[in-house]
Amino acid sequence: GQNIDQPTEMTATEGAIVQINCTYQTSGFNGLFWYQQHAGEAPTFLSYNVLDGLEEKGRFSSFLSRSKGYSYLLLKELQMKDSASYLCAVRHRSNDYKLSFGAGTTVTVRA
Amino acid sequence: IAGITQAPTSQILAAGRRMTLRCTQDMRHNAMYWYRQDLGLGLRLIHYSNTAGTTGKGEVPDGYSVSRANTDDFPLTLASAVPSQTSVYFCASSDSLSTEAFFGQGTRLTVV
Repeated sequence: GQNIDQPTEMTATEGAIVQINCTYQTSGFNGLFWYQQHAGEAPTFLSYNVLDGLEEKGRFSSFLSRSKGYSYLLLKELQMKDSASYLCAVRHRSNDYKLSFGAGTTVTVRA
Repeated sequence: IAGITQAPTSQILAAGRRMTLRCTQDMRHNAMYWYRQDLGLGLRLIHYSNTAGTTGKGEVPDGYSVSRANTDDFPLTLASAVPSQTSVYFCASSDSLSTEAFFGQGTRLTVV
C-alpha cells in the first residue's frame, strides 16, 4: 500500500513562487506524477519524475528524492490561471500502470 | 481528435437503479482505469484493466463492476445505486509508451 500526503490549501500572490510538497510511502515505486485540475475539469498532466533530481518545464519544476519519499512542485511567476488543484500521484511498479493519488492541494492565486 | 470520451456528462439516478457509465479511448492504450473523486478524498481507483480481457479491483471496488471486451471500451456498471455513490467519475487510459495517464472529462453522478 501507500500513503500520499500533500497540503490541503495554499494561497499566493500573482507573480510569486509557490512550492507544493508531497510525501509518500509505497511498497513499490516507478515514478511520481503531478497533475493540474481546474474546477469542474479533468486532471491534466504536468510532470513526471522517476529519477532523483529536478525536472524543469517552463514556469513549472518538479523535484524527487526517492530515498526520502519526497517530491515538490514549484510554480514560478504565478498567474491567475494557475489557480487550480494540484495532484501528486505515484505509480507502483513497472508492469502495472496504476496511479495512486494524494488528495490534492488547492492553490489560490490572488492579485 | 484522439482522446478519451465519457458518457453521460452528468446523471441524476434513483437509488436502486442500475447504471452504466461509458468510456471509450482511441489511443490504443493497453491500460484503462476508473476513478471516483470526492471532496477532500482525491481520486480513488475503483477498477482497472491492464489489457483487453483482464480487469482488477482498485481501492474502492464494492458496488461496481467493469468489463474490457476490447481495447477501446471500458464501461463501469453500478448494479444497484446507493447515495454514497454520488461522485464525479473519471475514466483514464495509459500504456507503457506514455508516461502519463489521459483522463476523460468526467461524469457527475447524483444518486437520490
